[in-house]
Amino acid sequence: KAGVTQTPRYLIKTRGQQVTLSCSPISGHRSVSWYQQTPGQGLQFLFEYFSETQRNKGNFPGRFSGRQFSNSRSEMNVSTLELGDSALYLCASSLAATASYNEQFFGPGTRLTVL
Amino acid sequence: AQSVSQHNHHVILSEAASLELGCNYSYGGTVNLFWYVQYPGQHLQLLLKYFSGDPLVKGIKGFEAEFIKSKFSFNLRKPSVQWSDTAEYFCAVNMRFGAGTRLTVKP
Repeated sequence: KAGVTQTPRYLIKTRGQQVTLSCSPISGHRSVSWYQQTPGQGLQFLFEYFSETQRNKGNFPGRFSGRQFSNSRSEMNVSTLELGDSALYLCASSLAATASYNEQFFGPGTRLTVL
Repeated sequence: AQSVSQHNHHVILSEAASLELGCNYSYGGTVNLFWYVQYPGQHLQLLLKYFSGDPLVKGIKGFEAEFIKSKFSFNLRKPSVQWSDTAEYFCAVNMRFGAGTRLTVKP
């Protein structure tokens, strides 16, 4: 089975721009979660989707948004980029309706650099 | 507020030493506990998980963890570490992760 894939793997943007990251879950997984990983902060939970519905949301500003499509693929969007948004963005998929109750399988991440 | 604390940011051990990484949480509801590991250049992967039952759980590669409800803790242990255990270790409660502990094992 193919693992979780994320595109692009690397992105360089400038302040004020917007960015869209994509995630394809493992086949059969319908739950997708997004995390922001920065040194010293660990993984900060952004949001979770199941069956095209947002199930949970972390404490991030409204500039961070996401969606899930009928084929379970997910995208996250960050508008009006700030320098502090530079991070590794991880996507994870899970078999359960919510990853709170099951193992998550992580992708390689998208490294976003904001200049 | 929900939080997960990993008190050790960087642990350095020699091979064959015993390991214990601390994880404490603050959470008011049902907890499902996880330890994930990220080896250099690899994806995060599950080491072990606890949902219910025996509070001592065994995972892959000789790791184990003990859930102590009264202490809100879920510490990770390994009796004898190897150089290949060098990695970053993350504790998670439901979907919330700690800041991670970097483990360096000297050969």
